[in-house]
Amino acid sequence: GQSLEQPSEVTAVEGAIVQINCTYQTSGFYGLSWYQQHDGGAPTFLSYNALDGLEETGRFSSFLSRSDSYGYLLLQELQMKDSASYFCASGMFSGGYNKLIFGAGTRLAVHP
Amino acid sequence: NAGVTQTPKFQVLKTGQSMTLQCAQDMNHNSMYWYRQDPGMGLRLIYYSASEGTTDKGEVPNGYNVSRLNKREFSLRLESAAPSQTSVYFCASRKPRTGVQETQYFGPGTRLLVL
Repeated sequence: GQSLEQPSEVTAVEGAIVQINCTYQTSGFYGLSWYQQHDGGAPTFLSYNALDGLEETGRFSSFLSRSDSYGYLLLQELQMKDSASYFCASGMFSGGYNKLIFGAGTRLAVHP
Repeated sequence: NAGVTQTPKFQVLKTGQSMTLQCAQDMNHNSMYWYRQDPGMGLRLIYYSASEGTTDKGEVPNGYNVSRLNKREFSLRLESAAPSQTSVYFCASRKPRTGVQETQYFGPGTRLLVL
């Protein structure tokens, strides 16, 4: 079957760095995405890795290792507004179509 | 651009009632999706539409039907609501994958309570 695993909760202090890991088992895999969701809000796109290596977008970076079926999201210089849930999602190609399979999410709490 | 819009924002139904959730996007995307999100869980795909006139089942299609009315609109229908369908429903559209980019844009969600 298709599955992704990520930690359920992470806590950090303002200004720190935090890494959220994600392992996946997905047939037809073509890439790993990360989405942020604040309480009561909609998921918003953060980052995408199609190739092995690091992608950097401002304070956020994402990494993918296809051989290890593993990726992570790195958040630097944490701010209070980064308190949210973060979802990894594997892109899979199935039946001629592209779909995303989401992990259960990691709830990040940033403290002063 | 409004992006992805959904109506209604909130809805309370009694068991057995029917309703249609509406979704529209103005980004000229071909692919559209319906997800449900339950507490403490990620998003699960209900149905998707790769293009106008085509729809297909996702992970959890039972109890739902969809219509891709045109390129802009993708509706989700509950014919006979059940308490297990209490959830937050998100519609999304997908920017075509170009190079190494792959992005889905989500609507604000519909919060549905079935009593």
